[in-house]
Amino acid sequence: AIRMTQSPSSFSASAGDRVNITCRASQTVGTYVAWYQQKPGRAPKLLIYAASILQSGVPSRFSGSGSGTDFTLTISCLQSEDFATYYCQQYYDYLPFTFGPGTKVDLK
Amino acid sequence: QLQLQESGPGLVKPSETLSLTCTVSGGSVSSSSYFWGWIRQPPGNGLEWIGSIFYSGTTYYNPSLESRVTISIDMSKSQFSLKLSSVTAADAAVYYCGRHVSRLIGSALDSWGQGILVTVSS
Repeated sequence: AIRMTQSPSSFSASAGDRVNITCRASQTVGTYVAWYQQKPGRAPKLLIYAASILQSGVPSRFSGSGSGTDFTLTISCLQSEDFATYYCQQYYDYLPFTFGPGTKVDLK
Repeated sequence: QLQLQESGPGLVKPSETLSLTCTVSGGSVSSSSYFWGWIRQPPGNGLEWIGSIFYSGTTYYNPSLESRVTISIDMSKSQFSLKLSSVTAADAAVYYCGRHVSRLIGSALDSWGQGILVTVSS
């Protein structure tokens, strides 16, 4: 299975900060990467797919980049509602799909 | 608006079979446009894909669970279901159903149910 790693595992930030979360795949996955946001007690929410395509209805402060093995989720200006855990997922190899371990963003 | 809702027992005994159903409203599981999937999340941990199904009945399963998993679809009820046999404590998790963004199995999931917590205990 393709292993997805994320860094950092958690960090504190302030509203208004620019935030970057990194995801690395154990082998190339092209641009078959999605990013999800999850808040406590809630289901994950799709933010980005195909590495850089913004899901409909997601604020433009979220963006994704990367290809091959290295990917980045950027939040350009952190808002209070963005404090959550973020997961990357590869769907290049669907046997199985795999997710990263998550990056928790909390309030400094 | 598409909605997915998981249902089933919240408590399963070890060695028994976990059975969950996902009811889809505002859309149809008989659509040829989407795969439908199951994902789980042990408390305090990350996400694990279990498997996905197409309206035709084509299924794909996580190899680590394949020997114990069956996913089926009931178009007349707009539902798809998960059965996981021989459960252990390691199967305790919040179980989510979801819809893939396309008819390709290699696609993200854009709609999710609220999740159902399943505990494994005698």
